[in-house]
Amino acid sequence: SQKIEQNSEALNIQEGKTATLTCNYTNYSPAYLQWYRQDPGRGPVFLLLIRENEKEKRKERLKVTFDTTLKQSLFHITASQPADSATYLCALTLYGGATNKLIFGTGTLLAVQP
Amino acid sequence: NAGVTQTPKFQVLKTGQSMTLQCAQDMNHEYMSWYRQDPGMGLRLIHYSVGAGITDQGEVPNGYNVSRSTTEDFPLRLLSAAPSQTSVYFCASRAPSGGVNEQFFGPGTRLTVL
Repeated sequence: SQKIEQNSEALNIQEGKTATLTCNYTNYSPAYLQWYRQDPGRGPVFLLLIRENEKEKRKERLKVTFDTTLKQSLFHITASQPADSATYLCALTLYGGATNKLIFGTGTLLAVQP
Repeated sequence: NAGVTQTPKFQVLKTGQSMTLQCAQDMNHEYMSWYRQDPGMGLRLIHYSVGAGITDQGEVPNGYNVSRSTTEDFPLRLLSAAPSQTSVYFCASRAPSGGVNEQFFGPGTRLTVL
């Protein structure tokens, strides 16, 4: 069966450390992978997109890697801050004829302690 | 720009009642979609539209209807609400429909069916 797996347990880290979140998938062949941030009671907000032929993408303190052989993406936040505390969702983009569909993981809750 | 707006923010229905969740975007996006988010299930696609007059089913379409008479609006109708439809509903848009671009999400509607 097709699955997208993110750590269901919350990730607790100390301020200033690097947070690393994992997204694993099976039986999908995504062309792209996206990461979103979701705060309580709000809609997801786009962070980064990485293509299947890209190994790594960076944006300020954020870094995403994409390994299509391992079927895994890692999402890093360096020098983490309490304001980074949120749920982070990964999403696969699948080619689908007239449109491309996004399939979301369940998300990982990140808590950055001051 | 207001982005993607949704109304109402909260709604309580009795089993069998009908209602329409409203969604509008002012970014002239072709692609609009509806998701529901349940604990441990992630965001699941209900229906989507690639342009005015064109709609299609997503992963969990049963019990929901949509229409797209204008580019801006994409309402979601529950014809006969059931407790299983208790969830948080998100509307999203992106441009263009066949592209791979970030999705913009609305703030969500929290629906409870008694």
